[in-house]
Amino acid sequence: GAVVSQHPSWVICKSGTSVKIECRSLDFQATTMFWYRQFPKQSLMLMATSNEGSKATYEQGVEKDKFLINHASLTLSTLTVTSAHPEDSSFYICSAPKIPGKGGEQYFGPGTRLTVT
Amino acid sequence: KQEVTQIPAALSVPEGENLVLNCSFTDSAIYNLQWFRQDPGKGLTSLLLIQSSQREQTSGRLNASLDKSSGRSTLYIAASQPGDSATYLCAAIETSGSRLTFGEGTQLTVNP
Repeated sequence: GAVVSQHPSWVICKSGTSVKIECRSLDFQATTMFWYRQFPKQSLMLMATSNEGSKATYEQGVEKDKFLINHASLTLSTLTVTSAHPEDSSFYICSAPKIPGKGGEQYFGPGTRLTVT
Repeated sequence: KQEVTQIPAALSVPEGENLVLNCSFTDSAIYNLQWFRQDPGKGLTSLLLIQSSQREQTSGRLNASLDKSSGRSTLYIAASQPGDSATYLCAAIETSGSRLTFGEGTQLTVNP
């Protein structure tokens, strides 16, 4: 199956700093990638859809100025949590369909655990 | 807006039992439905993808069924093992793209 990687796998940062998380498709080109957030004991909630070459689409209630998404190439999307606060501590997971727009199988990254102190 | 519900929220069974996990969705206009496994602190492992034109998919001891008209899917695990202990998530894939809506998950514990 297709492989999606994330970096870093975990990160601890101080309140007020910014953190960048990378999501890469390793063996296929991903024109669309999705970013999810998962709080402890809860399910995954879609934050935004990352589109290569255009602006990301954010879900209702997600601050686009706080969660900056850049889809600079067909294999890389980055999520930057700006001015992080302890309530941003969560598990962030990205995914990509191998065939976008076709409702096909999603391939998920291993996730990044962010802890803001 | 699609809503996905999973029942039960938690399940504890002795090793060897056959079990069924339930998933329901409010909007039957889905493209596909996908079942995942998530171990504590880990990412998602895809188990089965059922296309909207299919009724079921099988992989080893796992069998997933889909009834679009009633908005339901079930995951059947045969002869459960302690290694099956994990949280199982179902997700509905919308027709217009690839967005997934996840259920809350079923936390399964298989006791030796």
